[in-house]
Amino acid sequence: AQSVSQHNHHVILSEAASLELGCNYSYGGTVNLFWYVQYPGQHLQLLLKYFSGDPLVKGIKGFEAEFIKSKFSFNLRKPSVQWSDTAEYFCAVPRHDYKLSFGAGTTVTVRA
Amino acid sequence: EAGVTQFPSHSVIEKGQTVTLRCDPISGHDNLYWYRRVMGKEIKFLLHFVKESKQDESGMPNNRFLAERTGGTYSTLKVQPAELEDSGVYFCASNRGSGKRYEQYFGPGTRLTVT
Repeated sequence: AQSVSQHNHHVILSEAASLELGCNYSYGGTVNLFWYVQYPGQHLQLLLKYFSGDPLVKGIKGFEAEFIKSKFSFNLRKPSVQWSDTAEYFCAVPRHDYKLSFGAGTTVTVRA
Repeated sequence: EAGVTQFPSHSVIEKGQTVTLRCDPISGHDNLYWYRRVMGKEIKFLLHFVKESKQDESGMPNNRFLAERTGGTYSTLKVQPAELEDSGVYFCASNRGSGKRYEQYFGPGTRLTVT
């Protein structure tokens, strides 16, 4: 069975600091990967996705993620965070084309 | 276009009572999904509708949970009777196609507290 693991439960950092959230998956076939974000009081929304091609994926709000097949990883990065990036971040892998399998989530708190 | 909506946003009930959660998907989206997040755990898939048909209900915890999607529009998820372990946030999502390339659009969730 596929599983997704996120390395950090809670990350606290200051504005302008760089952010990297780890995500590892276990799956042997073709992989599609997503990062979702849930801002306080808002819906889960898609941040970025990888299907194929360039392993470095750009998403909304300055986020990017790199798919490293040899490491089974899809880490999320942002060079300089803002207070508004405070949110919970979820890595996800679709199973059987539609079931999203989520990691446990990482809460990011950005201090002004 | 209007997003996925869920009602209520929060429900507090006693063990043994019945609760019905509602999800209105984005208009035109044939696919509707229910997920649940128990506190401290990951978001887990419950079931998938295509129009009014249940395509996959493998994630439903037990027979106390009943999901319906009458007419292929909105969906309800009934928990009867509710148990303490049913507490959590129930998310609904929808999309046009069920392939992995189709983004799922999520609602705000219903926070269910069973006391």
